[in-house]
Amino acid sequence: GAVVSQHPSRVICKSGTSVKIECRSLDFQATTMFWYRQFPKQSLMLMATSNEGSKATYEQGVEKDKFLINHASLTLSTLTVTSAHPEDSSFYICSASYGRGITTNEKLFFGSGTQLSVL
Amino acid sequence: GIQVEQSPPDLILQEGANSTLRCNFSDSVNNLQWFHQNPWGQLINLFYIPSGTKQNGRLSATTVATERYSLLYISSSQTTDSGVYFCAAGPNAGGTSYGKLTFGQGTILTVHP
Repeated sequence: GAVVSQHPSRVICKSGTSVKIECRSLDFQATTMFWYRQFPKQSLMLMATSNEGSKATYEQGVEKDKFLINHASLTLSTLTVTSAHPEDSSFYICSASYGRGITTNEKLFFGSGTQLSVL
Repeated sequence: GIQVEQSPPDLILQEGANSTLRCNFSDSVNNLQWFHQNPWGQLINLFYIPSGTKQNGRLSATTVATERYSLLYISSSQTTDSGVYFCAAGPNAGGTSYGKLTFGQGTILTVHP
């Protein structure tokens, strides 16, 4: 199956710093990638949809200036948590699909996630 | 948006037992996937099953789209099956909803030796 690589797997940073998380589709081109957030013992919540070559679409309640998303190529999307604070500590997961249809939802493949801890 | 509910929230089994996990969704879907999240947080894609029945080894899944539910069957459970099982659904809307998945709250499965 398709492989989605996410890096780093774990990051610890000081409050006020920015952290960048990368999501790469290794063996396919992904026009669209998705970023999810998961708090301990909770479900995954969609944060934003990352579109190659255009601005990301954020879900309601997600601060776009706090969570900067860039999708510069068909194989790479990045999520930057700016001026991180302890409440931003969470597990972040990206996903991608190699489907290009606009009326069919194809199978989504997920990265292995990034555990962010802000001190 | 679409609502996804999973049951039971917790399940404890003895090794070798069978189990059924359920996922109800509130609207018609074009995407229904089951995942296993291991203790390290990695999501393993088990099934892509917007309708019908599929089997993969000891696991099988059935989605009855007209009745808006999906079932995941685990037979002869093993300790390595422990973890959280998520059901996620994508709406039958296309356009800006394309690819979006709504996750259920998960079922925490613990298999004892």
